[in-house]
Amino acid sequence: GQQVMQIPQYQHVQEGEDFTTYCNSSTTLSNIQWYKQRPGGHPVFLIQLVKSGEVKKQKRLTFQFGEAKKNSSLHITATQTTDVGTYFCAGGQDSGSARQLTFGSGTQLTVLP
Amino acid sequence: GAVVSQHPSRVICKSGTSVKIECRSLDFQATTMFWYRQFPKKSLMLMATSNEGSKATYEQGVEKDKFLINHASLTLSTLTVTSAHPEDSSFYICSARDLRVRETQYFGPGTRLLVL
Repeated sequence: GQQVMQIPQYQHVQEGEDFTTYCNSSTTLSNIQWYKQRPGGHPVFLIQLVKSGEVKKQKRLTFQFGEAKKNSSLHITATQTTDVGTYFCAGGQDSGSARQLTFGSGTQLTVLP
Repeated sequence: GAVVSQHPSRVICKSGTSVKIECRSLDFQATTMFWYRQFPKKSLMLMATSNEGSKATYEQGVEKDKFLINHASLTLSTLTVTSAHPEDSSFYICSARDLRVRETQYFGPGTRLLVL
């Protein structure tokens, strides 16, 4: 079955430093989504990428979808303490009517003030 | 954004009892809802896909007789953990797909289940 791998598992950065998490799928995806989960909270949708090579920005966050639609990255510029949380990628495939998401293992980001 | 509610948020029960968790889409209709289980500091594991008006589709390794799913309306899906055991203790999260926003899922706040 489809597998989505995400690295690193943990990342500690000093406030103001940049942060990147990478996501790789074993199969070609129809789309990739990114979620943020604060400690004790639930995943919150950040963005969806659909096109090969697509790049989207949300303020300090830059999301990229690979040309082969099998990998993706999330880059945060100049991290802030509010960026703390676990970032999950989720690969979507059109498997008939299911359209399920397969989540990566997540990257837990700690930002030190 | 779309809102999904989940009830209860926390539940403690004795081993052998059954627990029902409700998932509601508050401001949109969801023909498909998903149930996930999340262990501490782990990713979300899809348990089953719930389709309104039909039987749920369970992932490999998930016992359908233990985790009963009912999706009776376009805004409500329920997960019942039957004869709960301590190993069922976990964080259960539902999500609902808003068809107006292609393939986006909105997650409920989750239910933390503790089986004693």
